[in-house]
Amino acid sequence: EVQLMESGGGLVQPGGSLRLSCTISGSSVTDTYMSWLRQAPGKGLEWLSIIYRDATTNSADSVKGRFTLTRDTSKNTLYFQLNRLTVEDTGIYYCARGPQGGTFDHWGQGTLVTVSS
Amino acid sequence: DIQMTQSPSSLSASVGDRVTMTCRASQNIDVYLHWYQQKPGKAPKVLIYRASSLQSGVPSRFSGGGSGTEFTLTISSLQPEDVATYYCQQSYATVITFGQGTRLEIE
Repeated sequence: EVQLMESGGGLVQPGGSLRLSCTISGSSVTDTYMSWLRQAPGKGLEWLSIIYRDATTNSADSVKGRFTLTRDTSKNTLYFQLNRLTVEDTGIYYCARGPQGGTFDHWGQGTLVTVSS
Repeated sequence: DIQMTQSPSSLSASVGDRVTMTCRASQNIDVYLHWYQQKPGKAPKVLIYRASSLQSGVPSRFSGGGSGTEFTLTISSLQPEDVATYYCQQSYATVITFGQGTRLEIE
């Protein structure tokens, strides 16, 4: 069974940085696409960034140049470095497997990032 | 980016009712449209993939239809456990986008 576990969320001031982690079990981080998504309080879902099997990445314009997605294959873990955070970046951040066949078929429980002074 | 628009934004119905919600894409996305259910405090869960295919383990009262720019999600007989927010998502473009959600409640 595939399981994803995020960590690293917390309270940070505007302009600050945070590194989120996503540990994967039941699947290899190199076998599939993996993504990060977020959900602002009371709002919908927003796809942010993807890492492909060859470790290349792509991101939404809203985070391009500020957020960086990497992986550590020895730890089967994804890392999401969030820089130059603004209050609009507040929300629950999810890592998810996919898109696989177009969908995100496994999700973590999410980690809350709060950007506030 | 492809814009996804869901309607209605909220919906209230009775147990046993047939419920239909709609998702429209700003351009043709063929059948690259998927539906998710999200309950409060939980991560989203795939219900329907590629417009009309039922994800394994999802009750058969859920069904999807459509192609091109207009899609529907139907619950044939609403159950109390179906209270949730439902999202559509397109995977036609490299930049994946979601609709804003339809919140479903029981009357």
